[in-house]
Amino acid sequence: NAGVTQTPKFRVLKTGQSMTLLCAQDMNHEYMYWYRQDPGMGLRLIHYSVGEGTTAKGEVPDGYNVSRLKKQNFLLGLESAAPSQTSVYFCASSSLRRNEQFFGPGTRLTVL
Amino acid sequence: GENVEQHPSTLSVQEGDSAVIKCTYSDSASNYFPWYKQELGKGPQLIIDIRSNVGEKKDQRIAVTLNKTAKHFSLHITETQPEDSAVYFCAASLRMGGTSYGKLTFGQGTILTVHP
Repeated sequence: NAGVTQTPKFRVLKTGQSMTLLCAQDMNHEYMYWYRQDPGMGLRLIHYSVGEGTTAKGEVPDGYNVSRLKKQNFLLGLESAAPSQTSVYFCASSSLRRNEQFFGPGTRLTVL
Repeated sequence: GENVEQHPSTLSVQEGDSAVIKCTYSDSASNYFPWYKQELGKGPQLIIDIRSNVGEKKDQRIAVTLNKTAKHFSLHITETQPEDSAVYFCAASLRMGGTSYGKLTFGQGTILTVHP
């Protein structure tokens, strides 16, 4: 099992550009999450999904959109990137029976 | 919403010493407290967790204690080794079920360095 995978691993954008981060999990987990990690601030929840076709806002959702068209995939979109979105983005998944979240390796995004 | 404070932000110890990281939480409804370890260039990985009906839990060299009244919990690592060097995060959540959906609120992280 690959667990949770994220693509791409690194990306540099210019202000105003758009991009989509892809998260995939092969553990048949119902729940999936997107976090951003910034120095001194821990991980903050952007959006999450409790099942195929459903998404909800987390702590810091502004400037991001998500979609979960398939159970195994969770996409994070930036429609118009801003320098404040420079961060490391992590995807995670968990089953509905256990609290443990399994994290992907992260995507380092720089917005110039 | 929940707020989790973690201290210290950095911790440096000699190999073989013990390390303690402390967290406080604000929401008395939280009942699940995991600890994650993040190695350089990787995603966080769960190392131990505790539920609110338990005061202490041990797993080999690591242990977690919980004081519900004071709303704080701590990670204890004994006989530290260089491979324990990493960033450690505490978190708080409601247990899976209902409308909590396992959402975690993380502390700010502690950079632990174990010197050989």
